[in-house]
Amino acid sequence: DAGVTQSPTHLIKTRGQQVTLRCSPKSGHDTVSWYQQALGQGPQFIFQYYEEEERQRGNFPDRFSGHQFPNYSSELNVNALLLGDSALYLCASSLIGRDTDTQYFGPGTRLTVL
Amino acid sequence: QQQVKQSPQSLIVQKGGIPIINCAYENTAFDYFPWYQQFPGKGPALLIAIRPDVSEKKEGRFTISFNKSAKQFSLHIMDSQPGDSATYFCAAFSGTYKYIFGTGTRLKVLA
Repeated sequence: DAGVTQSPTHLIKTRGQQVTLRCSPKSGHDTVSWYQQALGQGPQFIFQYYEEEERQRGNFPDRFSGHQFPNYSSELNVNALLLGDSALYLCASSLIGRDTDTQYFGPGTRLTVL
Repeated sequence: QQQVKQSPQSLIVQKGGIPIINCAYENTAFDYFPWYQQFPGKGPALLIAIRPDVSEKKEGRFTISFNKSAKQFSLHIMDSQPGDSATYFCAAFSGTYKYIFGTGTRLKVLA
């Protein structure tokens, strides 16, 4: 049973560039949430996707956008990168229904903005 | 009101000791409280979780104690091992579909 997978593992970008991160949820899951984890901090919720729509959003600017595909995989896009966007980006998947609140995290994508 | 306060920030125990990590919350709408373990460079891994209708839950060497009236919950690690050295995060979840995480506790278990 495949767990949550993310790609790429690491990424280096320069200020002003755009980046796309990818996530495949755990087998059988239909909901994907994205989190940003700065060094030494807890994960911060960015947004959640279900049925290809954004269901909930945290306190992140519109530079952060996402998409969910019919196969439940998801992308996180960040435009006009800032130095402060350097962080570990985590994807978590869950299943709508009884266990909606149980989220499983992927290994993350380490983004460095120079 | 959306914060989850976690303490201590770091903790060092001897092998076999029982580290205790505490979390407190304000929002009574939270109804699910998981604990995650994270190793450097890895994503958080779900350890154990509890709902407000029980006061304690045990899974292997990990125990959650929950005090609904005080709005506090804690993680106890029995017979801690050097392999338990990691950062531990508490979290709280409500019907708004997102987790609120604590700031993390860096645990080191000495051999």
